[in-house]
Amino acid sequence: RKEVEQDPGPFNVPEGATVAFNCTYSNSASQSFFWYRQDCRKEPKLLMSVYSSGNEDGRFTAQLNRASQYISLLIRDSKLSDSATYLCVGFSSGSARQLTFGSGTQLTVLP
Amino acid sequence: NAGVTQTPKFQVLKTGQSMTLQCAQDMNHEYMSWYRQDPGMGLRLIHYSVGAGITDQGEVPNGYNVSRSTTEDFPLRLLSAAPSQTSVYFCASRAQGYGYTFGSGTRLTVV
Repeated sequence: RKEVEQDPGPFNVPEGATVAFNCTYSNSASQSFFWYRQDCRKEPKLLMSVYSSGNEDGRFTAQLNRASQYISLLIRDSKLSDSATYLCVGFSSGSARQLTFGSGTQLTVLP
Repeated sequence: NAGVTQTPKFQVLKTGQSMTLQCAQDMNHEYMSWYRQDPGMGLRLIHYSVGAGITDQGEVPNGYNVSRSTTEDFPLRLLSAAPSQTSVYFCASRAQGYGYTFGSGTRLTVV
């Protein structure tokens, strides 16, 4: 089982829609989580960190549920420019002290 | 402030050739990593470093070497290229407690 799992999609939504992505993680020692965005043939870019209390950045809301070991990303009022692949990322300390990436969820916002 | 700079952007190698992918960051970040990204596989960690002179293996280290003689530079060396190493390679760096900043990637084809 992969340490971080995401629904690969694709999610095709109309402009203005609200869309939610979920991500589950298996390592209960994971301490921090992030959402990254990756455009086609580009590098991943940090979208936002995920805090236990939930956090919002404009149209984007991230939630963490440690009891159920899942992370979510909600995008409201989708824009065409939101079309990308969204990567869920977990971080755990220990010998690796590195980030573990999910395979990504592909979103296409349609006009 | 250039961030993370990777060279070259594209490379074609013949099986058995060796080469070095260059990575440099100007943000004084302690942590640096090399990832490869293949379709459907997500980002997989090759090698990482937690500071100058300290490196360790990631998930898929075979066929690759790294060194970290300075904080700024973290080159990845392919010892004897194989077609299975055809991939997109990303170098990334981060400060403690923050998410990674990625370079723009190197697209490597081994024929």
